[in-house]
Amino acid sequence: AQSVSQHNHHVILSEAASLELGCNYSYGGTVNLFWYVQYPGQHLQLLLKYFSGDPLVKGIKGFEAEFIKSKFSFNLRKPSVQWSDTAEYFCAVNGDTGRRALTFGSGTRLQVQP
Amino acid sequence: GAGVSQSPSNKVTEKGKDVELRCDPISGHTALYWYRQSLGQGLEFLIYFQGNSAPDKSGLPSDRFSAERTGGSVSTLTIQRTQQEDSAVYLCASSPGIAFRDEQFFGPGTRLTVL
Repeated sequence: AQSVSQHNHHVILSEAASLELGCNYSYGGTVNLFWYVQYPGQHLQLLLKYFSGDPLVKGIKGFEAEFIKSKFSFNLRKPSVQWSDTAEYFCAVNGDTGRRALTFGSGTRLQVQP
Repeated sequence: GAGVSQSPSNKVTEKGKDVELRCDPISGHTALYWYRQSLGQGLEFLIYFQGNSAPDKSGLPSDRFSAERTGGSVSTLTIQRTQQEDSAVYLCASSPGIAFRDEQFFGPGTRLTVL
């Protein structure tokens, strides 16, 4: 069965600090990996996704993530966070076979202090 | 264009009552998903519809939960004889086609509170 672990439940940073949110997954085949973000009062929206090719993917708002197959990881990074990055971040996975629905991690709440 | 819409935005009900939650996906999207998010937890898959195919019901937690999708568009999630543990935010998502890699577009959710 698929599973996703996000070890950081709540992260507090000051503006301009660098961000790295951990995501580890368990899946026995080819994976598609996603990071979604939910800003306060807004819908979940896609930040970035990876399914093949360059393991370093760039998304919206300066976010990037690196797929490391040997570590089953897909960590999210941003070099310099802004107050507006305050949100909840979810890592998710599905495979190219089997169930199409996403398996989500429990989320990381990021609070950026001005 | 219009995104995924859900109604009602909030629903408070008494234990034992039935509730219906509605989802309008993005026009033309053939795939529709229901998830729920309980307090402090990630999103949990409930059910998936793809076109006219039989739905994937593997995530439904009990036989009190059911869903239908009429005309390949609007979907209704029904919870019978609600229990307090059903309290959660119920999210609907749609995606354009059959590709696993397609982005899922989420609605605003329905917050269900069972007293």
